Amino acid sequence: KQEVTQIPAALSVPEGENLVLNCSFTDSAIYNLQWFRQDPGKGLTSLLLIQSSQREQTSGRLNASLDKSSGRSTLYIAASQPGDSATYLCAVRPGDSWGKLQFGAGTQVVVTP
Amino acid sequence: DTAVSQTPKYLVTQMGNDKSIKCEQNLGHDTMYWYKQDSKKFLKIMFSYNNKELIINETVPNRFSPKSPDKAHLNLHINSLELGDSAVYFCASSPPASGGTDTQYFGPGTRLTVL
Repeated sequence: KQEVTQIPAALSVPEGENLVLNCSFTDSAIYNLQWFRQDPGKGLTSLLLIQSSQREQTSGRLNASLDKSSGRSTLYIAASQPGDSATYLCAVRPGDSWGKLQFGAGTQVVVTP
Repeated sequence: DTAVSQTPKYLVTQMGNDKSIKCEQNLGHDTMYWYKQDSKKFLKIMFSYNNKELIINETVPNRFSPKSPDKAHLNLHINSLELGDSAVYFCASSPPASGGTDTQYFGPGTRLTVL
């Protein structure tokens, strides 16, 4: 059974520092991995999707890496801003299930001015 | 021009009542989902429909019944509401999977409180 873990559960950094968020999963047979952002009282916004054949994806200040064999993904956010404060969720789509995402519990990030 | 919309945004009701949550997407996607986010913020899939057909049903009590009148809509009906049903329910949709690029797009959520 696939389990997705995110460490740390919460993180507070001063503005300008780089953020490093970790996600680990127990079964390497995944179809893809997505990183989402959730703002309080709002829905999820997809940030990056990494296909199982890819090692990383980049979008602006965001970079996500994927190491399937070790069951890890890392989301890097460069030069953090107060607007980056949110909960970041990692989700894997298992290779044998059609469309089903399994989520980690998230990392709550606070960027202080 | 909202991509995935849900109504209502908030729902407060008494135990034992029956309620429905509606979801609509204007992205032209074939697949729609319902997720439940509990008080510990864990998101778990409940159902998935592809072209109006049920393809995922994750050990959800049969008090929960999804209905998809067409590809753009997936509604969730809940009978005999219980305290433990209190949660935020998210609807999502995704395009046909193509090389693993089936990003899921989420609605804003419906916060259900059962008293």
